[in-house]
Amino acid sequence: QSVLTQPPSASGTPGQRVTISCSGTSSNIGINSVAWYRHLPGTAPKLLIYRDNQRPSGVPDRLSGSKSGTSASLAISGLQSEDEADYYCAAWDDSLNGVVFGGGTKLTVL
Amino acid sequence: QVQLVESGGGVVQSGTSLRLSCVASGFTFSRYAMHWVRQAPGKGLEWVAVMWSDGNLQYYLDSVKGRFIISRDNSKNTLYLQMNSLRGEDTAVYFCARGEGPTGYYTMEVWGQGTTVTVSS
Repeated sequence: QSVLTQPPSASGTPGQRVTISCSGTSSNIGINSVAWYRHLPGTAPKLLIYRDNQRPSGVPDRLSGSKSGTSASLAISGLQSEDEADYYCAAWDDSLNGVVFGGGTKLTVL
Repeated sequence: QVQLVESGGGVVQSGTSLRLSCVASGFTFSRYAMHWVRQAPGKGLEWVAVMWSDGNLQYYLDSVKGRFIISRDNSKNTLYLQMNSLRGEDTAVYFCARGEGPTGYYTMEVWGQGTTVTVSS
């Protein structure tokens, strides 16, 4: 049982917009910034969004992050086949004194 | 380019020890907090430990407290994870990751490819 809650799966067709949610509490998302990572098995995870809504250089602007209260979201527009991967949200938790991850969302491009 | 390379994984018996290493290159290692994160087979990412850039502060996942020790040698650009009293549930791919700055509160900006630890009973 992960501290942050994500839907286990999401899907969309090429060109569509999909949103992945991440629900937390007042000790993590409610007071600390959220990051989003993409992971393909056998590879290094990649940072997509940091500080709730900032994109590292090289991450396309069709990916965006938002946060409201104790929930955050990752939106991917103009869905492409290469977007198929597992997506994780994460935040520091002040009660646990550590980073907490969501359980991950497997994104399928139909 | 910025790079993290983990090593030291292997197949070990339950109750034994293993030390993982992560060699950093392409950035000033001593200026960044460093994390260990793991992924058990068929499971999601799980944070394990973090050490601040100066080595003065570290935090651990509850289930590894008292068994794992994170350390670093800034003169060798190397992060370590000493894993003692290993259990089957520690079986995972272990990644090291660079924090956003000197403290570990924030983002894991760069990740290594991981090293696999298998604990057999």
